[in-house]
Amino acid sequence: DTAVSQTPKYLVTQMGNDKSIKCEQNLGHDTMYWYKQDSKKFLKIMFSYNNKELIINETVPNRFSPKSPDKAHLNLHINSLELGDSAVYFCASSTNRERNEKLFFGSGTQLSVL
Amino acid sequence: EDQVTQSPEALRLQEGESSSLNCSYTVSGLRGLFWYRQDPGKGPEFLFTLYSAGEEKEKERLKATLTKKESFLHITAPKPEDSATYLCAVQARTSYDKVIFGPGTSLSVIP
Repeated sequence: DTAVSQTPKYLVTQMGNDKSIKCEQNLGHDTMYWYKQDSKKFLKIMFSYNNKELIINETVPNRFSPKSPDKAHLNLHINSLELGDSAVYFCASSTNRERNEKLFFGSGTQLSVL
Repeated sequence: EDQVTQSPEALRLQEGESSSLNCSYTVSGLRGLFWYRQDPGKGPEFLFTLYSAGEEKEKERLKATLTKKESFLHITAPKPEDSATYLCAVQARTSYDKVIFGPGTSLSVIP
């Protein structure tokens, strides 16, 4: 059983399109995250949700909109895709963000904007 | 501003050749320092958490240590399967407890 699963694995699309990435965790964790890893492998946090409530929004353009229908799911919708959005997006979860708990990551979604 | 740097950027070792990776951090109140391993095409996988200066953790050929300003990941007699990118991350007591990652060290172990 995959602990944190995200789909799709690869996403190739044209500039200006709208796309979504889905994430689900079956670990019973309260907190979920979206991270972006650029071409230099730098992992940068985008959003953090705790029990469906937005906790962290790291100056991400408002073209990016996370949605958490329940604490096991955190989806990422991106409007009007730009070339600079090309990266690998990782979903992650943890038991409790305040107690320095380790992060469990999904396998990533490689987004290529042409 | 909270910051994490890692060195070297890339490291090539012969099988059995021990070495260390460095993680330097600046954070206003350290809640925890983490080491992760990332294989190509996969998400980071947790290795260790260190909480306070002087603490050490070991797992197989890996040993992580922590001082007030840096952490080291020592690799003893590495094998080719240890080849991966090793990421260091810190969690600050401020900034909504977010976890900040360093740029990673890409390790290649040659048979």
